[in-house]
Amino acid sequence: AQSVAQPEDQVNVAEGNPLTVKCTYSVSGNPYLFWYVQYPNRGLQFLLKYITGDNLVKGSYGFEAEFNKSQTSFHLKKPSALVSDSALYFCAVRPGGYNKLIFGAGTRLAVHP
Amino acid sequence: EAQVTQNPRYLITVTGKKLTVTCSQNMNHEYMSWYRQDPGLGLRQIYYSMNVEVTDKGDVPEGYKVSRKEKRNFPLILESPSPNQTSLYFCASWDRRSSYEQYFGPGTRLTVT
Repeated sequence: AQSVAQPEDQVNVAEGNPLTVKCTYSVSGNPYLFWYVQYPNRGLQFLLKYITGDNLVKGSYGFEAEFNKSQTSFHLKKPSALVSDSALYFCAVRPGGYNKLIFGAGTRLAVHP
Repeated sequence: EAQVTQNPRYLITVTGKKLTVTCSQNMNHEYMSWYRQDPGLGLRQIYYSMNVEVTDKGDVPEGYKVSRKEKRNFPLILESPSPNQTSLYFCASWDRRSSYEQYFGPGTRLTVT
């Protein structure tokens, strides 16, 4: 079965420190990979995506993500966290040839002052 | 402004009373989808549509109906709601031009008592 795993329910980080939110996947074909963020009482907002090319992709609000094909991972990173980054983050994968996204369960990021 | 709208944003209803949640997009996207979000489960796809009059089941279609009579609209119908359909619902739209990046509505919080 095709799946996306976000192994951490919550990630805690101090403001100014680097952050990583992990995502691994098991899907068919060459996938498209996405990160979305959800703030309280809001819909999901697109952060970044990997389709092909450079393994490091940069997105909105200073976030970036690294695609690792051998480890089937797509971890979200930011060099210096802000309190305003506190939100729920979802990794999503479009399996090759499919017209759907498979979402991970989400990781809550808490950035403390 | 490019957007996906949903109505209502909040709905409390009783078991068995038919309801419809509307979804509309103004981006001329081919694809539309409904998801439900439950704690610890991420987003699960209910139904999706590839174009007008073309719909297909997602991962959790039981108890739901959809229709796509116009390209911009994709209503979600619960003909006999039950308490296990209490959830947060999102509509999304996308197309191949955006590399399958999905645009989400603000969500509808449904409570069935």
